[in-house]
Amino acid sequence: GAVVSQHPSRVICKSGTSVKIECRSLDFQATTMFWYRQFPKQSLMLMATSNEGSKATYEQGVEKDKFLINHASLTLSTLTVTSAHPEDSSFYICSATTESTSYEQYFGPGTRLTVT
Amino acid sequence: GQSLEQPSEVTAVEGAIVQINCTYQTSGFYGLSWYQQHDGGAPTFLSYNALDGLEETGRFSSFLSRSDSYGYLLLQELQMKDSASYFCAVGTGGYNKLIFGAGTRLAVHP
Repeated sequence: GAVVSQHPSRVICKSGTSVKIECRSLDFQATTMFWYRQFPKQSLMLMATSNEGSKATYEQGVEKDKFLINHASLTLSTLTVTSAHPEDSSFYICSATTESTSYEQYFGPGTRLTVT
Repeated sequence: GQSLEQPSEVTAVEGAIVQINCTYQTSGFYGLSWYQQHDGGAPTFLSYNALDGLEETGRFSSFLSRSDSYGYLLLQELQMKDSASYFCAVGTGGYNKLIFGAGTRLAVHP
């Protein structure tokens, strides 16, 4: 149980375009979802926290107009990278928690974004 | 600010025991977690300590001392498949968000 999926797993886009990444909890309802960014061989940097039906809470330094997060249901959150640039190239990972085990985050497999 | 310190790399042989330390300084604290991540993969949850003491889960154990802002992950009977990055993370702030350490790359050799 507690499986989180992400789509797509890899995406290549041209500079200036927008890319949407989906994060789904497949067998549970996620009270909270988180979005992270990870550079090669580095740590996970929390970008934002989202709850179904409410606005995401962004970490300091993360541009909310550039990284749009929508949490439409208890099983789906999306991250849209708008007007992508090469410096946005990274590994984006989502995670989800349940109400009963809020201390444990279930991570998706990640999305490798390359902006050319 | 918020910071977590852990060694960047550790090397060990199969069958050995390894301890990965983590010290933290955060504005809030709900608990200390440990996650394992293989190259190219997703982090997976290993353990969680909210209170002082030792938590044991199979070959892995985790310890926390809140007064010292310190914890460690102990891996016993190391196997080749344990080669991965290990992250300590502090639960803090709203919705128990996690702040991750930089990670420790563990290499297990025959």
